[in-house]
Amino acid sequence: EDQVTQSPEALRLQEGESSSLNCSYTVSGLRGLFWYRQDPGKGPEFLFTLYSAGEEKEKERLKATLTKKESFLHITAPKPEDSATYLCAVRMDTGRRALTFGSGTRLQVQP
Amino acid sequence: DTGVSQDPRHKITKRGQNVTFRCDPISEHNRLYWYRQTLGQGPEFLTYFQNEAQLEKSRLLSDRFSAERPKGSFSTLEIQRTEQGDSAMYLCASSSPQGSGELFFGEGSRLTVL
Repeated sequence: EDQVTQSPEALRLQEGESSSLNCSYTVSGLRGLFWYRQDPGKGPEFLFTLYSAGEEKEKERLKATLTKKESFLHITAPKPEDSATYLCAVRMDTGRRALTFGSGTRLQVQP
Repeated sequence: DTGVSQDPRHKITKRGQNVTFRCDPISEHNRLYWYRQTLGQGPEFLTYFQNEAQLEKSRLLSDRFSAERPKGSFSTLEIQRTEQGDSAMYLCASSSPQGSGELFFGEGSRLTVL
């Protein structure tokens, strides 16, 4: 069964302390890997799509990278406003349109 | 605001009652999805529409759940004879056929079953 595993479950950083979140997947035929940000009580907000190993995308302090088995979301010099849950999702090469999500990493950035 | 709109945002009901949620997708999006999310978990897929056709249904969508998308515009998700285990956030998302596959989510409808 296709699975998406995110680690760590929770991460607490000091403002300015860079780190990385991991998303590993076991799917047959990846058609896309998606990163979302979710604030408490809100719907997920789209961040990035990655399609092939070696691909990188950047947005402000965030950079997403993709290998054949995992993706990383690198956060450089985070600020308190980066505190949120970061979700990873995949679409498989099975004709299904829906995304399969991981459980997320809850990030807290302290000033 | 041209994003995905969901109504109501919050619903408290008693066990055994029926509830209905509405989703208005982004206007040019022909694909619409329903997900369910419980505390500390990622969204779980429930069902998918392309225009008015319901093309995918999860095993999570028991016979108490029904979704419709008449005329391929807004969608409704109805839960009959609610149970306490139905308490969750119900998320709607839409996507464009011209897009890269990303889903755009609404703010969700939070259901509490007492």
